[in-house]
This record gives sequence, C-alpha cells and structure tokens, in this order.
Amino acid sequence: QVQLQESGPGLVKASETLSLTCTVSGGSVSAYYWSWIRQPPGKGLEWIGYLYYSGDTNYNSYLKSRVTISVDTSKNQFSLKLSSVTAADTAVYYCAREDYNSRAFDIWGQGTMVTVSS
Amino acid sequence: SYELTQPPSVSVSPGQTASISCSGDKLRDKYTSWYQQTPGRSPVLVLYQDNRRPSGIPERFSGSSSGNTATLTISGTQTMDEADYYCQAWDSSTGVFGGGTKLTVL
Repeated sequence: QVQLQESGPGLVKASETLSLTCTVSGGSVSAYYWSWIRQPPGKGLEWIGYLYYSGDTNYNSYLKSRVTISVDTSKNQFSLKLSSVTAADTAVYYCAREDYNSRAFDIWGQGTMVTVSS
Repeated sequence: SYELTQPPSVSVSPGQTASISCSGDKLRDKYTSWYQQTPGRSPVLVLYQDNRRPSGIPERFSGSSSGNTATLTISGTQTMDEADYYCQAWDSSTGVFGGGTKLTVL
C-alpha cells in the first residue's frame, strides 16, 4: 500500500529556510493532491498547503509569502520549503495524501520534528 | 479566514456514547472529515464526507452534519478510543482544521 516518509533536518536556525521532502512509496506521486500539515508541540493541526503533480499549488494565506511546495516526479517525491523561519515554526511536519473524491487526507507520513533554534 | 470550532475536551464513560461537535459558518454546505490522533502518532482518518467510514474503521464511529455543525458520534465508546479528534473541511481550496477535542474515557 502507499506509504509516505518525511525527511530533512531536525534543526534549523532562525531566519533560515526549512526544507523537507516526502517520499511516496507503493504508488505514484503523479496522481492525487499532496499536502503538508504541521503540529506545534502540544497544539493542533495546521494545513500548510497542497500540490498537484501538474504543478498546481495552493497555500495557507497565513504562510503563503514564505512557502513553496514542489514535486519531483522522477524521484516520486514532493518537497516543502519554508523561508525566514522563527521559533513559531517549530513543529512536527506531516506530509499527507488527499483523496480528491473524498476530499480527505487518507494517508499520512509518520511526521518529522523540526526545531527552530535562535 | 474560515474557522472550525471544537470543544477542547469531552469525557465519556466506557460503553456510553460520545459526541464531539465541530462548528463553522455554513458547514453543512461543505464536506467534513474527522481524524483521530493518539499521543506520538500520526492522525488517522475515521470519517469523510460527513458520515462515511474508511475501510477498517469500526461501525461505532458515525457522523452527521446540519446547519453550521458537524458531529462525530462514537457509540459504545471503548478505552482505546481515548484520543484527540480533529474535524477538517475545505474552504475555497484551503484546508482548515478545528482546534481539536481531547476525548477522555473514564
């Protein structure tokens, strides 16, 4: 079955760019919508944005000026870049698949903790 | 921006029925999904399109939506159902989550 795995640095310095990759296994990234979602410690879920393999993207308006989500179909991966990070960006970052018919996130990665240090 | 509001906590006795609400403007016109998250784990989809269960989700999980409120109902609640629950909907192609409800079974 389809599995997602996040990867990237667990520690990022304030003002720098957070970069994460989600590898899709057991299926193709060239279908479905793919999202990034984060969860600050002890807090709730926040949707960051989605990408369709064709390149169509949409971002949370709150983060839009700092976020880029892109896809590499040759590697079956999609990526997140979040610039000018602050301590408020410290969170567990999840990648997830959106089933377009159900409009629900039906598959999630295990999540990766990213800490922003000053 | 669109907001979804959930009660921070709900308590239920084992074997009883738990109901968790999710409120948002004209939520009835959107599809609501529900996710269960236990400590240290990724969220798991338990309901989509207001009341449909993915394969493998027990029948005790059900949902409804009317007016501005969607409701997740767990019948015959078990101790294993103790978790955080999040509602989620789409507003103009933007994903929105509720703040989450901690369900305590005691």
